[in-house]
Amino acid sequence: SSELTQDPAVSVALGQTVRITCQGDSLRNYYASWYQQKPGQAPVLVIYGKNNRPSGIPDRFSGSNSGNTASLTITGAQAEDEADYYCNSRDSSGIRVFGGGTKLTVL
Amino acid sequence: EVQLVETGGGLIQPGGSLRLSCAASGFTVSNNYMSWVRQAPGKGLEWVSVIYSGGSTYYADSVKGRFTISRDNSKNTVYLQMNSLRAEDTAVYYCTRDMYSSSWERWFDPWGQGTLVTVSS
Repeated sequence: SSELTQDPAVSVALGQTVRITCQGDSLRNYYASWYQQKPGQAPVLVIYGKNNRPSGIPDRFSGSNSGNTASLTITGAQAEDEADYYCNSRDSSGIRVFGGGTKLTVL
Repeated sequence: EVQLVETGGGLIQPGGSLRLSCAASGFTVSNNYMSWVRQAPGKGLEWVSVIYSGGSTYYADSVKGRFTISRDNSKNTVYLQMNSLRAEDTAVYYCTRDMYSSSWERWFDPWGQGTLVTVSS
C-alpha cells in the first residue's frame, strides 16, 4: 500500500516561515490535502488541491507540489499555528492514506 | 450549515461489535463520498473506510473483513459497523465528507467531533 512520510517535528520562530513536507509515490499522480489538528480537537482542512485554501483559513498557509513531495508553507507563523499537521492523498485503487503527522512548535 | 455528528462510541470487550452513526446536516450524504477516519490515543490519523455516492465501498487493510460502512439515505446518516473488535481498534472515530473536484484531487471537509471507542476487557 502507499505511504506518506512526514518529519515528526518541526519548529519555527514566531513570525518566520516554515515548510512542512510530505513524501510519497502517490504524490506524483495525486495532490495532497493538509489538515491542522490542535489538542483535543478534530482535524481542520487547511490546504487542498494544487494550492487551495478553504474559507476562513489565513492566506499565510500555502501549498506546493514537486515530484513525489508535497509541501505546506506557513509564511509568518503565529502562536496559534502550533499544532499537528497531517498530509493525505489517495492511491490508484482509491485507498486514502495519511502521513504520520508533523508536530509544529512555534518558538 | 454543513455539520457531522458522530454517536455510538463506548467501551466494548474484545471480540464484540459496535455500530457508529454519523448524522449529516446541510448536505445530502447520498450525493457525496463519506469516509471514516480514526485516531488511536496519542497517535496519528488513520483512514478507515469510504462509501462512494454510487455505493462502492473501500477499506483499510487493518479493518477489511471486520468493518462495514453503509448509509441510510432517508436518515441522511452514514454508519460504521465494527465486528470482531480488537484492542488496537481503540481510537476516536471521525466521520468526514470525502470531497473531490477531479480524479487527482481529494480532501476531507468537514469533520465531525469524533466518538471514542475503547476496546478493553
